[in-house]
Amino acid sequence: SQQGEEDPQALSIQEGENATMNCSYKTSINNLQWYRQNSGRGLVHLILIRSNEREKHSGRLRVTLDTSKKSSSLLITASRAADTASYFCATDAGDYKLSFGAGTTVTVRA
Amino acid sequence: GAVVSQHPSRVICKSGTSVKIECRSLDFQATTMFWYRQFPKQSLMLMATSNEGSKATYEQGVEKDKFLINHASLTLSTLTVTSAHPEDSSFYICSARDIVSWATDTQYFGPGTRLTVL
Repeated sequence: SQQGEEDPQALSIQEGENATMNCSYKTSINNLQWYRQNSGRGLVHLILIRSNEREKHSGRLRVTLDTSKKSSSLLITASRAADTASYFCATDAGDYKLSFGAGTTVTVRA
Repeated sequence: GAVVSQHPSRVICKSGTSVKIECRSLDFQATTMFWYRQFPKQSLMLMATSNEGSKATYEQGVEKDKFLINHASLTLSTLTVTSAHPEDSSFYICSARDIVSWATDTQYFGPGTRLTVL
């Protein structure tokens, strides 16, 4: 079943601006992962953050995790047109079965 | 890096026929592969876990007799949609775990298969 809720559902920003999206989940997790999906394509793994971590960086991406609030955020800094995609969070309770959020569609305007 | 392929990428079939989708890990071995389904503008839903050398485990609500899974080797899992109907039209995506990378917990996703049942 789908565990996560993502917010906002859609986001439109100007190139160069930052994009922030949030993910909330319901049950205990081992880790939380963020993926990107371009229209009609497969998933690209962006970043994994473990339950004992609070923040993680990868290039222009910054992910935070607050297990007390059961929420995570993904920040994309200095956005580019190529960042236009849908972004999904996915939780892993420790059995490697991923439960995906509803996704946030990000459009970066040139 | 780890690559997972799916074949075919797109298939159109008539109602009542069966369709087989292959998921291959190209440069690593995967004892476990996962099959997901994604309807248009929706998220991915886990259908089943494919285990090499043993029976697949299905999520609640997924008919095991309709979605046959075979994981014959450490690099190949197949999903067969039997007696397909228009409501089975969807985007099917597989993922695989590298058995060596226990520490990373990372799964690698295939590019997906778009199934259209007429």
